[in-house]
Amino acid sequence: DAMVIQNPRYQVTQFGKPVTLSCSQTLNHNVMYWYQQKSSQAPKLLFHYYDKDFNNEADTPDNFQSRRPNTSFCFLDIRSPGLGDAAMYLCATSNRDDEQYFGPGTRLTVT
Amino acid sequence: GENVEQHPSTLSVQEGDSAVIKCTYSDSASNYFPWYKQELGKRPQLIIDIRSNVGEKKDQRIAVTLNKTAKHFSLHITETQPEDSAVYFCSASIMGYGGSQGNLIFGKGTKLSVKP
Repeated sequence: DAMVIQNPRYQVTQFGKPVTLSCSQTLNHNVMYWYQQKSSQAPKLLFHYYDKDFNNEADTPDNFQSRRPNTSFCFLDIRSPGLGDAAMYLCATSNRDDEQYFGPGTRLTVT
Repeated sequence: GENVEQHPSTLSVQEGDSAVIKCTYSDSASNYFPWYKQELGKRPQLIIDIRSNVGEKKDQRIAVTLNKTAKHFSLHITETQPEDSAVYFCSASIMGYGGSQGNLIFGKGTKLSVKP
């Protein structure tokens, strides 16, 4: 089945230790998004790629970086995770001007 | 920029009753309004969407209405069932122009509880 896949589903990292979350898609969508969702809150957009064009939200901390090496894959790098970065990280994809499909998310715990 | 307000934040209904969730948006250029359902620990899933060229859309027990003049849109769930219990998010975006205008702006969510 065509889908959005996120790995790992659960990630535990230590305070300050870099971590990378991955997202892949078989939908061949040209837009990929990364959201952060904290408990009882709406998803908050961190950045998105339209093809290879990177678009950063104004309030996304510099601690968060992203890479999209090809159409299928996108990575979220957190350079120095803090306790406040513990959250669910959701990847989503879409074709331009069409609905977004969300992946299952990665639950990040920072100890 | 766009701002989406959603009410109520929590809603409790008896099984079989109807549930209504309301949202308002600020940017009159917004033309795409999807609704997402998110069960605990799971991904948001699109349940219905509406574009600004129609005023109402229905899919079985779920309907969405849009009032462009007042800039508000609503989700209606009839004959609610316990499996409808979840958090529902409304959202708005501008389609057709590409770029960041196509990004979804979410409401804060409504936690719906359907009691058997």
